[in-house]
Amino acid sequence: KNEVEQSPQNLTAQEGEFITINCSYSVGISALHWLQQHPGGGIVSLFMLSSGKKKHGRLIATINIQEKHSSLHITASHPRDSAVYICAVLLVGQNFVFGPGTRLSVLP
Amino acid sequence: DTGVSQNPRHKITKRGQNVTFRCDPISEHNRLYWYRQTLGQGPEFLTYFQNEAQLEKSRLLSDRFSAERPKGSFSTLEIQRTEQGDSAMYLCASSFSDTEAFFGQGTRLTVV
Repeated sequence: KNEVEQSPQNLTAQEGEFITINCSYSVGISALHWLQQHPGGGIVSLFMLSSGKKKHGRLIATINIQEKHSSLHITASHPRDSAVYICAVLLVGQNFVFGPGTRLSVLP
Repeated sequence: DTGVSQNPRHKITKRGQNVTFRCDPISEHNRLYWYRQTLGQGPEFLTYFQNEAQLEKSRLLSDRFSAERPKGSFSTLEIQRTEQGDSAMYLCASSFSDTEAFFGQGTRLTVV
């Protein structure tokens, strides 16, 4: 079993739809990152969470430490949101472990 | 500060050659991470530094790979005797302790 799992693996949505990407992990962490990577591009950090919920524009991220689960929500999705979204957990006193990513395509 | 900088952005090399990549982290960031990402996969941990000390090294890193961060600022990742399987995107990230990490644009290596 991988330490960090994401679902779904691939997601296609119509412009305007509400999107949810899930991340679950099996290890103790000090923080969780949601990252965005466009094709051929570098990685951009969207959120870092250690508890609760954060919102930035149309993006919302939540984390439940007890359940070892986090979600990334995109409201009013747009084709420019098409990218790979990666969940990465920061192990306590150690390095990051990355999830496999969720490939999102938003169609106009 | 313009963020984490990696050079070169692209590198094509012949099998058997040595290559070296550089990462300049955000100033004052004490942690620096190296990751490798192959096409369609998530990043895999290679190694990380706290200041100049290399604290952890993945078993993925064979003896052909070495990383340094001599003054606790920039870091270099060297691959000796490159193989085609080394072709990947090499990513660097930095953070201040357990705070938010920032990633560079990566160095794409192609071994022909």
